[in-house]
Amino acid sequence: AQSVAQPEDQVNVAEGNPLTVKCTYSVSGNPYLFWYVQYPNRGLQFLLKYITGDNLVKGSYGFEAEFNKSQTSFHLKKPSALVSDSALYFCAVLKTHGSGNTGKLIFGQGTTLQVKP
Amino acid sequence: SQTIHQWPATLVQPVGSPLSLECTVEGTSNPNLYWYRQAAGRGLQLLFYSIGIDQISSEVPQNLSASRPQDRQFILSSKKLLLSDSGFYLCAARSSLGGYTFGSGTRLTVV
Repeated sequence: AQSVAQPEDQVNVAEGNPLTVKCTYSVSGNPYLFWYVQYPNRGLQFLLKYITGDNLVKGSYGFEAEFNKSQTSFHLKKPSALVSDSALYFCAVLKTHGSGNTGKLIFGQGTTLQVKP
Repeated sequence: SQTIHQWPATLVQPVGSPLSLECTVEGTSNPNLYWYRQAAGRGLQLLFYSIGIDQISSEVPQNLSASRPQDRQFILSSKKLLLSDSGFYLCAARSSLGGYTFGSGTRLTVV
């Protein structure tokens, strides 16, 4: 079964420091991986996705993620954290079934990022 | 680009009362539609998905049902709410180009 795991409930970093939010995946075949961010009482906002190509994917708000096939990981990174980056982050994998446009997103449990001034 | 409208934003309902949450999509046609529930501010659980009008699949057995009477309308319902139905409900759409968009969510509290 396809799944993703986010091993950290919370990540704390100081403003200006680099941040990493971890995600590992388990899929059969080629993975389609996503990162989303959620601010309190809001919907999810898309950050970036990996479908194929370069292992380093650049996304919104200065975030990037590195796809590592040998470690089955897709960690989210940012070189310099901002206080406004504090939010709940979700890793997700696309679960495809049959043919065509019927995929479902399967989410990890989420990691709360706290960036302190 | 596609936009999702969800309402209401918050809802407080007594146990045993009915529920109807509505989601509409703009900017795309024939999207796949999804209802997710987020409990305790954490993980997202897929409840229902739909690949077309009146085509609904349920992911988990529960007290809720979903309907899709029109291409861009997706409704989440219950005849009698339970305390355990409380949570944050998110509607999502996937366009034919593969992009996912989420609504702003409905906070349901069953009292």
